[in-house]
Amino acid sequence: KNEVEQSPQNLTAQEGEFITINCSYSVGISALHWLQQHPGGGIVSLFMLSSGKKKHGRLIATINIQEKHSSLHITASHPRDSAVYICAVGRGVHGAQKLVFGQGTRLTINP
Amino acid sequence: DAGVTQSPTHLIKTRGQQVTLRCSPKSGHDTVSWYQQALGQGPQFIFQYYEEEERQRGNFPDRFSGHQFPNYSSELNVNALLLGDSALYLCASSLAGGLGQPQHFGDGTRLSIL
Repeated sequence: KNEVEQSPQNLTAQEGEFITINCSYSVGISALHWLQQHPGGGIVSLFMLSSGKKKHGRLIATINIQEKHSSLHITASHPRDSAVYICAVGRGVHGAQKLVFGQGTRLTINP
Repeated sequence: DAGVTQSPTHLIKTRGQQVTLRCSPKSGHDTVSWYQQALGQGPQFIFQYYEEEERQRGNFPDRFSGHQFPNYSSELNVNALLLGDSALYLCASSLAGGLGQPQHFGDGTRLSIL
């Protein structure tokens, strides 16, 4: 079983729909990251959170530490939101942090 | 302010060859991490360099080695290439000094093994 599990693996929706991507993890973490990867391969960091909720534009990320669960929400989705969204947890060793990634959720927003 | 830059962007090698990938961290960052991302999978941690030393290592064989230079740039070397080494190799930089530091990613090097 992977340390970080995402669902769904693939998601197709119509423009304007509310999107939710879920992430569960099974290990202790320093922080949880939501990342966006476009077809070219580059990864952009969307959020880093260790408690509560963060909002940036139409994106909202929440985390429940007790339940080891996080969600990424996209309101008023747009075709430009189409990408792979990856959840990753930061694990610290001797003051360093490495990221353990989920397998990603491929999101397609149709106009 | 330049972000993380990686070179080359694409590379084709044959089995048994050796390859070197390069990474320049974001200005002001001193820690470099390398990840391997196979097609359709999430990235896997290879190793991390800080102060020119390997600080952490993931579950990768000794064929994978690295180096960090005094200017914080880094190289990833892979010897005796296998078909299974075909992947996108991502470099990420961050600041040392504790947990919870955000990592900034380069666009990756896509390595194809024939």
